[in-house]
Amino acid sequence: KAGVTQTPRYLIKTRGQQVTLSCSPISGHRSVSWYQQTPGQGLQFLFEYFSETQRNKGNFPGRFSGRQFSNSRSEMNVSTLELGDSALYLCASNRDNGDTQYFGPGTRLTVL
Amino acid sequence: EDQVTQSPEALRLQEGESSSLNCSYTVSGLRGLFWYRQDPGKGPEFLFTLYSAGEEKEKERLKATLTKKESFLHITAPKPEDSATYLCAVQGTGAQKLVFGQGTRLTINP
Repeated sequence: KAGVTQTPRYLIKTRGQQVTLSCSPISGHRSVSWYQQTPGQGLQFLFEYFSETQRNKGNFPGRFSGRQFSNSRSEMNVSTLELGDSALYLCASNRDNGDTQYFGPGTRLTVL
Repeated sequence: EDQVTQSPEALRLQEGESSSLNCSYTVSGLRGLFWYRQDPGKGPEFLFTLYSAGEEKEKERLKATLTKKESFLHITAPKPEDSATYLCAVQGTGAQKLVFGQGTRLTINP
């Protein structure tokens, strides 16, 4: 069974630009969650989508947004990039609440 | 607010030297406690899920245990390939998000 896939794996952007990251969940998984990982803050929850609806949201500014498509694939968007947005962005999928979340390899975003 | 504290931050062991990693947590109703392993530059790899105090799970050289306030990840006779960062996370009832600790960076010297 194929795991969670994320594209692209690496991105370099400059301040003020916007970026879109993509996540394909494990087949049959309807929930997709996004996390940001930095050396200082560790892994922090961004938001979760289930059946194309945002069901949970973490404490991040409105510059961070996402969506989910009918095939459960998800995208997250960061607008007006700041230096502090440099991080590893991880996507995780599961069937529903309470089930184990399985993570993808992440997208490494560098903001210059 | 849910919180997870892992100790130690880093641990260096000789091959074959057994030890334990600690994960202390506070959560308003525990739905599950999760252990992941993360190698540099990669996403977390799932190891165990524990749901209630007293529960134990084993996989090869790893054994995870759970009490009402903490979880331990016991590593028996580790090998160099066990070197990684081990992450603990909790999920509260009614919540989807995982709250992670800062991790324990484990190094096994041959």
